[in-house]
Amino acid sequence: GENVEQHLSTLSVQEGDSAVIKCTYSDSASNYFPWYKQELGKGPQLIIDIRSNVGEKKDQRIAVTLNKTAKHFSLHITETQPEDSAVYFCAASRRGGSYKLIFGSGTRLLVRP
Amino acid sequence: GAGVSQSPSNKVTEKGKDVELRCDPISGHTALYWYRQSLGQGLEFLIYFQGNSAPDKSGLPSDRFSAERTGGSVSTLTIQRTQQEDSAVYLCASSARQGVLSGEKLFFGSGTQLSVL
Repeated sequence: GENVEQHLSTLSVQEGDSAVIKCTYSDSASNYFPWYKQELGKGPQLIIDIRSNVGEKKDQRIAVTLNKTAKHFSLHITETQPEDSAVYFCAASRRGGSYKLIFGSGTRLLVRP
Repeated sequence: GAGVSQSPSNKVTEKGKDVELRCDPISGHTALYWYRQSLGQGLEFLIYFQGNSAPDKSGLPSDRFSAERTGGSVSTLTIQRTQQEDSAVYLCASSARQGVLSGEKLFFGSGTQLSVL
């Protein structure tokens, strides 16, 4: 079955710097890759997603890139702010073939003021 | 409008007791998921409901776990004879149409923190 690896458990950056979180996946048929942000005491919230027919998607300070050949995708946050501090989860699924999202183990991002 | 509501937010129980966790999805959402989040771990799929179709129970870890969804809306996750390893945050999510299958995003509740002593 699908396996999603999120190798970095924690990431600490200085406010204003960029943060990059990378995930790898195993199922070459995966074609939908969302990123969820979870703040303390809350449920995860979708922040950006990408489908396999594009290589990059941007939304203001966040972007996601996808490398289908290498089977990895990354979340990029520029000009980080303290409110970006949270746990970020990547996920993958086969849209049209599966309704299950397989999640990575999460990366805790700490933005130091 | 209201988001996904879960109750209770915290539940402390003794080993061997049964617990029920409740999820009220967003009105009109036909897809409903339960996930489990153990400390420092990712989200583990438990069960999926879609409309009146038979649920996908493939993620339930043992026969002590069961879930139902009444009237296509509220869902209850029941854990019988709880064990310490059941301690985790149980998250419910809902989605319009067929959820991830149709490219819809999931809306999560804040979860129920279950502690089994």
